Amino acid sequence: AQKITQTQPGMFVQEKEAVTLDCTYDTSDPSYGLFWYKQPSSGEMIFLIYQGSYDQQNATEGRYSLNFQKARKSANLVISASQLGDSAMYFCAMRSTSGTYKYIFGTGTRLKVLA
Amino acid sequence: NAGVTQTPKFQVLKTGQSMTLQCAQDMNHEYMSWYRQDPGMGLRLIHYSVGAGITDQGEVPNGYNVSRSTTEDFPLRLLSAAPSQTSVYFCASSSKRTFSYEQYFGPGTRLTVT
Repeated sequence: AQKITQTQPGMFVQEKEAVTLDCTYDTSDPSYGLFWYKQPSSGEMIFLIYQGSYDQQNATEGRYSLNFQKARKSANLVISASQLGDSAMYFCAMRSTSGTYKYIFGTGTRLKVLA
Repeated sequence: NAGVTQTPKFQVLKTGQSMTLQCAQDMNHEYMSWYRQDPGMGLRLIHYSVGAGITDQGEVPNGYNVSRSTTEDFPLRLLSAAPSQTSVYFCASSSKRTFSYEQYFGPGTRLTVT
């Protein structure tokens, strides 16, 4: 069965510093995609970054990068130069690309950026 | 494009009442899903659809029905509301035309069952 684990319920980071949010996954599918979503206090879900299981390079989108270690089954999100607006809930998610359409989500990490 | 829209934004029901949460998307996406979000549990998949006329169960389907008669609409029906269904409900859509199949989410419906 597929599973996403986010072990950090809450994190603090000082403004302008980098922070890593952990995500480990479990799947037997040979092909899959990994996602990170941001949920600010307003409640909407915002797509941040995607990593395919066969991608050779780690994904980057602006200040977001995904540290993908396939052998360790981890897909950590790195936010560089944190801003106050980064304070939010962050969810890691996975979707199989060789089977059913289903996504599964982790339980999330609440990040608070301190001024 | 309006993206994914959901109505209503808020709803209070009494135990045993039924209602339909509406979801529509204007991006011609093939895939649509319903999730519920509860504190400490992330998002859990209720039902999903890979195209008009095709639906399947997710992780927590009991007490909910769906149908997909058109590409655009994917309503979620609560048959007989229970306090355990108090939650925030999100609808999402995606397409194989984007290589990542990233999901676009609606703004959510906050449902309280008393």
